Amino acid sequence: EAGVVQSPRYKIIEKKQPVAFWCNPISGHNTLYWYRQNLGQGPELLIRYENEEAVDDSQLPKDRFSAERLKGVDSTLKIQPAELGDSAVYLCASKKGLGGLNTEAFFGQGTRLTVV
Amino acid sequence: AQKVTQAQTEISVVEKEDVTLDCVYETRDTTYYLFWYKQPPSGELVFLIRRNSFDEQNEISGRYSWNFQKSTSSFNFTITASQVVDSAVYFCALRDQGGSEKLVFGKGMKLTVNP
Repeated sequence: EAGVVQSPRYKIIEKKQPVAFWCNPISGHNTLYWYRQNLGQGPELLIRYENEEAVDDSQLPKDRFSAERLKGVDSTLKIQPAELGDSAVYLCASKKGLGGLNTEAFFGQGTRLTVV
Repeated sequence: AQKVTQAQTEISVVEKEDVTLDCVYETRDTTYYLFWYKQPPSGELVFLIRRNSFDEQNEISGRYSWNFQKSTSSFNFTITASQVVDSAVYFCALRDQGGSEKLVFGKGMKLTVNP
């Protein structure tokens, strides 16, 4: 079974440019997460989807970040315009089922963004 | 508020040594889950274990073992007879009912196993 697939793996852009990241979760996983991992830190949640609905986006900087999960499968995270402080690894994760604590999330390899 | 503390930031050992990674957590909930993930240089977070707050039994899986102690709010991870392939960053994480189902991670601990 394929794991969580993210692309691109690496992205270098100039500040003020837009950038988008794509995530394909594990087949059948209803819940999808985007996390941001700064250098030397643990990941921090940006947004959580249950199917196509964003049920927790409280930590998503909405002035420049947006996300969508059309049809409840693939998801895209966008930053426009990017700032130097956005340099980080953006991780996508998915989990089977909706709600509940008794399941684990599976993570993709992440997209390493460098803003110059 | 939820919080996970991994006091050690980096450990270096020689192959075959045992190593313990500490994890201390804070939560107000009585129902919660604790996790350990491994992040090798390739970048993905690899799930290692999930433990619920009502099960304090220690667990062993091959060379890995976990010691959960609610009295000290700790969930420590021991690798026995470490191998070079164990070199990675290890994260402890917490998920509870009050946290909107998100995982709260510690800052991670980088383990280097030298041959």
